[in-house]
Amino acid sequence: SYELTQPPSVSVSPGQTASITCSGDRLGKRYACWYRQKPGQSPVLVIYKDSKRPSGIPERFSGSNSGNTATLTISGTQAMDEADYYCQAWDSSTVVFGGGTKLTVL
Amino acid sequence: QVQLVQSGAEVKKPGASVKVSCKASGYTFNGYHMYWVRQAPGQGLEWMGWINTNSGGTKYAQRFQGRVTMTRDTSIKTAYMELSRLRSDDTAVYYCARDAEDLVVVVGETGLGIDYWGQGTLVTVSS
Repeated sequence: SYELTQPPSVSVSPGQTASITCSGDRLGKRYACWYRQKPGQSPVLVIYKDSKRPSGIPERFSGSNSGNTATLTISGTQAMDEADYYCQAWDSSTVVFGGGTKLTVL
Repeated sequence: QVQLVQSGAEVKKPGASVKVSCKASGYTFNGYHMYWVRQAPGQGLEWMGWINTNSGGTKYAQRFQGRVTMTRDTSIKTAYMELSRLRSDDTAVYYCARDAEDLVVVVGETGLGIDYWGQGTLVTVSS
């Protein structure tokens, strides 16, 4: 079965750029999405179709996807961005999630 | 506005079944696939399957095959997920979530993602 791999944790200082990676076999040939989940809340879509932002998601969120790696980049990271982030792709009409990355802003 | 409102928390004994409901509003219910995703305490998101809310067709994750049944009632715009033969490791928050893609598109073909999520239903399996 298809697998997506994320680092368990990423730390960033306020105002700096955070990058969270998601690796999978030829992931760049598929669409990738990213979700943010804060404690006790449902996930929220922050990036779809590799690099598109839904309405209401700040411009500091961006995405890319090439080769075997999709990347979520948060520029000018704010304390409010501290959360768990999950990548997601599809494999033969099934949904695959990465294991999640805890982003700490310190 | 789009809303997915799920049924309340459940406590079940091992071996029992649980049925979680998800009532949709604010959009054409039978125009989008509905996913079910679960999250065990302190763990990540796990996709369980989806239902075509128009045809009733389903696709389940292999690990839940034979234990999960997804249905819908279009007259009341509600989707259901039933999980049987519950075990303690089925303790989790269960989410329904709407596929952003139109039903006529093959799932995942346009990469639009999952745009709306229910509030989650905690299912606790304990003897």
